[in-house]
Parts: sequence; structure tokens; C-alpha cells
Amino acid sequence: KNQVEQSPQSLIILEGKNCTLQCNYTVSPFSNLRWYKQDTGRGPVSLTIMTFSENTKSNGRYTATLDADTKQSSLHITASQLSDSASYICVVSPNAGNNRKLIWGLGTSLAVNP
Amino acid sequence: GAGVSQSPRYKVAKRGQDVALRCDPISGHVSLFWYQQALGQGPEFLTYFQNEAQLDKSGLPSDRFFAERPEGSVSTLKIQRTQQEDSAVYLCASSLVQRAYNEQFFGPGTRLTVL
Repeated sequence: KNQVEQSPQSLIILEGKNCTLQCNYTVSPFSNLRWYKQDTGRGPVSLTIMTFSENTKSNGRYTATLDADTKQSSLHITASQLSDSASYICVVSPNAGNNRKLIWGLGTSLAVNP
Repeated sequence: GAGVSQSPRYKVAKRGQDVALRCDPISGHVSLFWYQQALGQGPEFLTYFQNEAQLDKSGLPSDRFFAERPEGSVSTLKIQRTQQEDSAVYLCASSLVQRAYNEQFFGPGTRLTVL
């Protein structure tokens, strides 16, 4: 069964600290993996998209890694800010032909405290 | 620039009532998606349009759910005879074309509460 599992479920850190969120997937075939940020009451916003041939991609203070062999990805947030408080969702696309059957994780809820 | 907009942002309906949710995608985006997101869950795919054609409606949970995009831009998701289990956030997303690596841009969602 295609699944995306994320850990931790929730995380609290102090402003300015770094953190790393984990994503394990059992999706096959595999086309690409995305990380989304979803603020409360808002729609998801894409942070990174990686194909199986990419093992790292950065977007500002966000750096995603992908190990297609072990089917693991991580999202590293550097120098966290209060505005980073949100849910971070790992999403896997199994089909290279289209992106409409995405497999969504349940997300990691991050709280950045002053 | 204008992103994906949805209206209303919040809708409260009595059980049995019909509702219509609107999505205005980014201008020029060919693909449009509807998702249902229950509290604490990830979005679940409902249906997909390419221009005005509804190419995939496999995620619609019952025949009470109906979506249309008659002119290939604005889309409406209609739910007839709403039930309490329909309570969720309904997200609309659009993308420029239907390719695997194309980013989907999401609207803020409509939170539907059925009493």
C-alpha cells in the first residue's frame, strides 16, 4: 500500500534554532517528492519538489534531502523564525504521467516559540 | 499577483441543505483540482479538470458531489443534501499544465461545517 509517514508528529523549538523533519515513504512507482508548508487556515504552499535523481534542494532557509534508495526524505529548517510555525507536509507523486494522484503525509506540526 | 481564490471562506449548512463552493484559479492555468481535507488529515483528491473537461472524478465520495468548470476557468463544487461527514475544508488548486513536476498552487480553502 502506498504510504507516506512523517515524524515527529509535532515539534516545538525556540526561535533561531534549527530543526529537521523526517519523511519515509513506501510509494511505488516513484516520480517526485514535495514538501509543502501549510499555515493554519490557509492552503498548502510548495517549498520544494525533487525527482528521484535529485538528493538535495534548497529554498531559502529550507533544505530538503532525498534518498531514493532508502525512500527517506528530510526537511531542514535553519535559523527558525516565528513565521515558520505551520504544518509541514511531505507529498509523493507515484506517477510520472500526471500529478493528480498525490500521496499525502499527515504532516509535522511545528511551533516556533520566542 | 493574484493567486487561487475560493469563496466563501466559511460555510455553515444545515444537514440536507445544498451548497456550492467556488474556485477562481490562476489565470491561464489549464489544470484544476479539488481536494477535501478533514481535520488533522492531508488533502484527499476529489476531482480534476483540464480546461473544461473533467478528466478524473474518481475521488468524489458519492453522487451527491458534483463539480463543473464550464468555461475552463472558474469551477464550482456542489454538494447536495449535505451530511455531517461532509464537514471539512475543501481546497482548490491549479497548475499551468498537467505534468508530473508542475507545481500546484492552492487556494485558502472553504471550511464547510454541516450541523
